[in-house]
Amino acid sequence: GAGVSQSPSNKVTEKGKDVELRCDPISGHTALYWYRQSLGQGLEFLIYFQGNSAPDKSGLPSDRFSAERTGGSVSTLTIQRTQQEDSAVYLCASSRNRESTYEQYFGPGTRLTVT
Amino acid sequence: GNSVTQMEGPVTLSEEAFLTINCTYTATGYPSLFWYVQYPGEGLQLLLKATKADDKGSNKGFEATYRKETTSFHLEKGSVQVSDSAVYFCALSDRIKAAGNKLTFGGGTRVLVKP
Repeated sequence: GAGVSQSPSNKVTEKGKDVELRCDPISGHTALYWYRQSLGQGLEFLIYFQGNSAPDKSGLPSDRFSAERTGGSVSTLTIQRTQQEDSAVYLCASSRNRESTYEQYFGPGTRLTVT
Repeated sequence: GNSVTQMEGPVTLSEEAFLTINCTYTATGYPSLFWYVQYPGEGLQLLLKATKADDKGSNKGFEATYRKETTSFHLEKGSVQVSDSAVYFCALSDRIKAAGNKLTFGGGTRVLVKP
């Protein structure tokens, strides 16, 4: 079946512009995660959605970052007023639910470059 | 908080050599432990996992044993192949349901296997 998909695969933007990154999780997966992979910080958790519950935003690095998940499926990560330090690969993952026995399936990522 | 430390790479070895990648962790609770692998040009995928002390995870000839007394989860393979060239990430998640299975990753270890 289809895996986690993300779009765009690459995004180049100018400093100060807003960007939106999209994630389509595996159908039926109730948990959705965003991570960021950067040279300086490695792989770090950003935000997590579980069903209709309020998201866990504890990993978001600043208030310029936000995310939403519509209809319990597709998620959009928005970065406002992008900065050069936001350059990274943004990874989305989904799992059947939030329990640790369930594998997280990762998408291919969106490579964001802020110039 | 939680943290994962793994040996830095790159690790370069010849085909059929023995591979060990060290991983140690710090966790406030009793975590589940994972190894993820990222092959060149591909997304992150789960290699193996262990959810309680003394469990051994295994897959594709790789093994790792959950050692609570030494807070370690070292990855081993007895005879590597060129196709094992990849970046390997050790990770943990808190098993408390409310924590939502967020993954905390180590810095990654690049492995290059030469024919």
